[in-house]
Amino acid sequence: QLQLQESGPGLVKPSETLSLTCTVSGGSISSSSYYWVWIRQPPGKGLEWIGSIYYSGSTYYNPSLKSRVTISVDTSKNQFSLKLSSVTAADTTVYYCARQYRQLGHPIDYWGQGTLVTVSS
Amino acid sequence: SYELTQPPSVSVSPGQTASITCSGDKLGDKDACWYQQKPGQSPVLVIYQDNKRPSGIPERFSGSNSGHTATLTISGTQAMDEADYYCQAWDSSTVFGGGTKLTVL
Repeated sequence: QLQLQESGPGLVKPSETLSLTCTVSGGSISSSSYYWVWIRQPPGKGLEWIGSIYYSGSTYYNPSLKSRVTISVDTSKNQFSLKLSSVTAADTTVYYCARQYRQLGHPIDYWGQGTLVTVSS
Repeated sequence: SYELTQPPSVSVSPGQTASITCSGDKLGDKDACWYQQKPGQSPVLVIYQDNKRPSGIPERFSGSNSGHTATLTISGTQAMDEADYYCQAWDSSTVFGGGTKLTVL
């Protein structure tokens, strides 16, 4: 059974860089069938796609966040990571990592439990 | 950028059929997915490729997609189906609808 686990600081100061890592277990991040994605959800609000990465390192970002986002992958550790720079209070949300099919309409079939990141001084 | 629109809320009586819509430009030409999210939990995929159910999803969940609207239908709705539901499509990137709160009362 595939599992994804987010890790990283739960508190980040304004203007600093948020860094999260997703560890994948029970399956290989190097599969050609999937993207690995970051999604966020402000408390009580809807889902927002942040970006995706393929195991080769190809990345795709939400245009509204593109200038601040970097997603990377470490296949040796079966991990992928998110960096979001110049954070503000608006970036206080639950961050999910997940697996997304590259075909079949691109459904997201496995999600991490999510981690709340608060931006505050 | 591509947008998907959902009604904020839908109410249904237990045992009745609930329908949740998702609208987008020529959405019928794309594949639609649906997710169920209960409070404090991660979303769960309930429908993909318009009308396919992942393993473990009850048969009462079904989907359709035509024209500009995709629809998630829950037949014989149960109290446990009360949740937020999100549609999703792919338009060169992943796009989510704003979500619909399903109330079973």
